[in-house]
Amino acid sequence: AQSVTQPDIHITVSEGASLELRCNYSYGATPYLFWYVQSPGQGLQLLLKYFSGDTLVQGIKGFEAEFKRSQSSFNLRKPSVHWSDAAEYFCAIMDTGRRALTFGSGTRLQVQP
Amino acid sequence: NAGVTQTPKFQVLKTGQSMTLQCAQDMNHNSMYWYRQDPGMGLRLIYYSASEGTTDKGEVPNGYNVSRLNKREFSLRLESAAPSQTSVYFCASRAPAPELAASSYEQYFGPGTRLTVT
Repeated sequence: AQSVTQPDIHITVSEGASLELRCNYSYGATPYLFWYVQSPGQGLQLLLKYFSGDTLVQGIKGFEAEFKRSQSSFNLRKPSVHWSDAAEYFCAIMDTGRRALTFGSGTRLQVQP
Repeated sequence: NAGVTQTPKFQVLKTGQSMTLQCAQDMNHNSMYWYRQDPGMGLRLIYYSASEGTTDKGEVPNGYNVSRLNKREFSLRLESAAPSQTSVYFCASRAPAPELAASSYEQYFGPGTRLTVT
């Protein structure tokens, strides 16, 4: 069965600093990977996705993620964090049958002024 | 184009009461999903429906039933609510999947229903 691990429950960064959120997955074949963001009390918004091809994918709001098959990782990055980026971030993998998502437990990002 | 809508936004039930969470999408999507979100656990799949009239169990189906009567709507029913069902429930839909159309894998989420069972 597939699984996703987000090792960091909570991260605090200063505004303007760079950010990297970690995501590791377990899956037997080429994974379809996603990053979602959830602001407090809101639904989920897709930041970016990876299916194949270029291993560095660009998303919305200045985010990018790099797929590394050798490390089973799909880490999310942003060069300069803004206060509005404070939210919870979820990494997810899609199964090839139902096309349902398996989510990691999330990383809560706090941004200090 | 409202996307995915869910009603109600909030609900408080007593143990043993029943209720139905409603979900509708106006994007002409075939596949729809129900997830629950609990603190520290991310979202987990309860049920999914690949098309009108078909449903299948997900990871945590116990205590729930679903109904997909038409393409737009996918409802989730709690027949006898339990405190363990206190959660935030999200409905999602996904476009048909021609295999080479990467955009078809994206799931669109509703705003969620926050349910408390006392």
